[in-house]
Amino acid sequence: SQTIHQWPATLVQPVGSPLSLECTVEGTSNPNLYWYRQAAGRGLQLLFYSVGIGQISSEVPQNLSASRPQDRQFILSSKKLLLSDSGFYLCAWAERWLQPNTEAFFGQGTRLTVV
Amino acid sequence: GENVEQHPSTLSVQEGDSAVIKCTYSDSASNYFPWYKQELGKRPQLIIDIRSNVGEKKDQRIAVTLNKTAKHFSLHITETQPEDSAVYFCAASKGNYGQNFVFGPGTRLSVLP
Repeated sequence: SQTIHQWPATLVQPVGSPLSLECTVEGTSNPNLYWYRQAAGRGLQLLFYSVGIGQISSEVPQNLSASRPQDRQFILSSKKLLLSDSGFYLCAWAERWLQPNTEAFFGQGTRLTVV
Repeated sequence: GENVEQHPSTLSVQEGDSAVIKCTYSDSASNYFPWYKQELGKRPQLIIDIRSNVGEKKDQRIAVTLNKTAKHFSLHITETQPEDSAVYFCAASKGNYGQNFVFGPGTRLSVLP
């Protein structure tokens, strides 16, 4: 069966420090991968998605970046965190099928607090 | 790009009553519409989905309807229970390998005992 791992679960970082969140998927190949951010009490904002190694689509301009060095590894990074980067970050994956579309499976999430 | 709106933002119902959450989408090419439930501090999890070739789908107490012409879809929960209390998100997606899920802002449902 497929599983998704995301870590760390919680993170407190000072303003201006770098960030690296990692997500890996097991039990599938060539998945679509996604990074979402959820501010407190808010919806899911799509940050990045990837359809293959080295292929990253950015949905919103920000000081975050994403990379996919391996087929089932997705990394969210920042060189310098801002207070506004605080939130709940969720990694997700979905099967790559033309038809039918399939659901997205979410990781446990990382609660990031920038202080 | 796709834009998904969701209403209401909060909803309170008495236990046993029905709850309805409505979403609209902008991209007529979207063809897959999942609904996710997120309990406090947890990850969103799929509860039901519908594809564009279907107008209605039901799974026990929950059902989803889709109107492609009007570009809106709705979640219906009957006989609500306290454990239905959560935040519900609708989403719209289209395939062709570059599947991109766009979520609505969410509805906080409270089922009052």
